[in-house]
Amino acid sequence: DIQMTQSPASLSASLEEIVTITCQASQDIGNWLAWYQQKPGKSPQLLIYGATSLADGVPSRFSGSRSGTQYSLKISRLQVEDPGIYYCLQGYSAPFTFGSGTKLEIK
Amino acid sequence: QVKLLQSGAALVKPGDSVKMSCKASGYTFTDYIIHWVKQSHGKSLEWIGYINPYSGGTNYNEKFKSKATLTVDKSSSTAYMEFSRLTSEDSAIYYCARNGIRGPFAYWGQGTLVTVSS
Repeated sequence: DIQMTQSPASLSASLEEIVTITCQASQDIGNWLAWYQQKPGKSPQLLIYGATSLADGVPSRFSGSRSGTQYSLKISRLQVEDPGIYYCLQGYSAPFTFGSGTKLEIK
Repeated sequence: QVKLLQSGAALVKPGDSVKMSCKASGYTFTDYIIHWVKQSHGKSLEWIGYINPYSGGTNYNEKFKSKATLTVDKSSSTAYMEFSRLTSEDSAIYYCARNGIRGPFAYWGQGTLVTVSS
């Protein structure tokens, strides 16, 4: 199975700050990487697919990048509605696997 | 618009089985596979498997192969997951999800909370 190592586990940042979350894949998954945001009591919401493409309706302050087998989600200017838990997902091969999650809070 | 409506919470006894549903609307049911995902309390997400509503074909995570059974009813556009021989480790929220045109797991149901307790 492909392992997705996500960091950090938790993160506290100020409004308007830049936030970066990373996922390291245990093997090559190409661009088959997606990012999700989950708020308390809600289902996950797709933010980024294909490592770098913004999902419909997602604010442009969210962006994704790739360097080899390391993937990053960047929030360019943290907003009050952005706290939640963020997960990466590898959709390259089954069993599809998620990262362990990053809990993002406002400082 | 695409909607996935899941069945309500279930309280079940250890050793029993539970069958939950995911009713799809807003698209042609047989055009997209349906995934099932487990989220234990305070933990990450685990992919259980998927079913192709058109063919009935399935692909299971080896970890859940002896635990989960995925089926569909095309006439009602509903996917089902049955979880058997339940233990406390199976207490979790279970989601159904569908890929989008441009991204995996783009649409999610609201989740079904399963609590296993005597």
